[in-house]
Amino acid sequence: GAVVSQHPSRVICKSGTSVKIECRSLDFQATTMFWYRQFPKKSLMLMATSNEGSKATYEQGVEKDKFLINHASLTLSTLTVTSAHPEDSSFYICSATELDTQYFGPGTRLTVL
Amino acid sequence: AQSVTQLGSHVSVSEGALVLLRCNYSSSVPPYLFWYVQYPNQGLQLLLKYTSAATLVKGINGFEAEFKKSETSFHLTKPSAHMSDAAEYFCAVSSPNTDKLIFGTGTRLQVFP
Repeated sequence: GAVVSQHPSRVICKSGTSVKIECRSLDFQATTMFWYRQFPKKSLMLMATSNEGSKATYEQGVEKDKFLINHASLTLSTLTVTSAHPEDSSFYICSATELDTQYFGPGTRLTVL
Repeated sequence: AQSVTQLGSHVSVSEGALVLLRCNYSSSVPPYLFWYVQYPNQGLQLLLKYTSAATLVKGINGFEAEFKKSETSFHLTKPSAHMSDAAEYFCAVSSPNTDKLIFGTGTRLQVFP
């Protein structure tokens, strides 16, 4: 149980385009999901907390207009990187909470050319 | 405020040797503590968690950790390392009234034949 999926696993896009990443809890419902960013050989940096049916809460320094989060259902949260630039290239990981524990998706490798 | 310190960014052991990965935490409230493992280009997998029940916690893949309040530690151990244990390990802390995780900087475990 407690499986989280992400789609796509890898995406390459041109600078200036927008990219959407989906995070799904497959066998449980999650009122809260989280989005992280991970730089090479670094720990995870929390970007935002996604709450079903309400606005996401962003961490300090994260541009909410740049990283749009939508949590439309109890099993799906999406992260849209708008007008992507090369500095947005990174590994993005989501997690979903069940019973005080976060379960993580497999991650999405974004490369912006 | 909560924080986690992982001593040793790199740990190397021989196959069959004891694995010890160190984690110390700081928390003003009784903490929830977690160990996650990350294989290259993948998300995080939960190894084990402490949520104020038994202080010795057994996890997957033969790992276990002991919560020691007096030492504010939650070190991860495995009696005999296997080549497949080579990965990045993250210790994390949260509190019962929030789902947010605070991660340590991670420890890369190398296992030599």
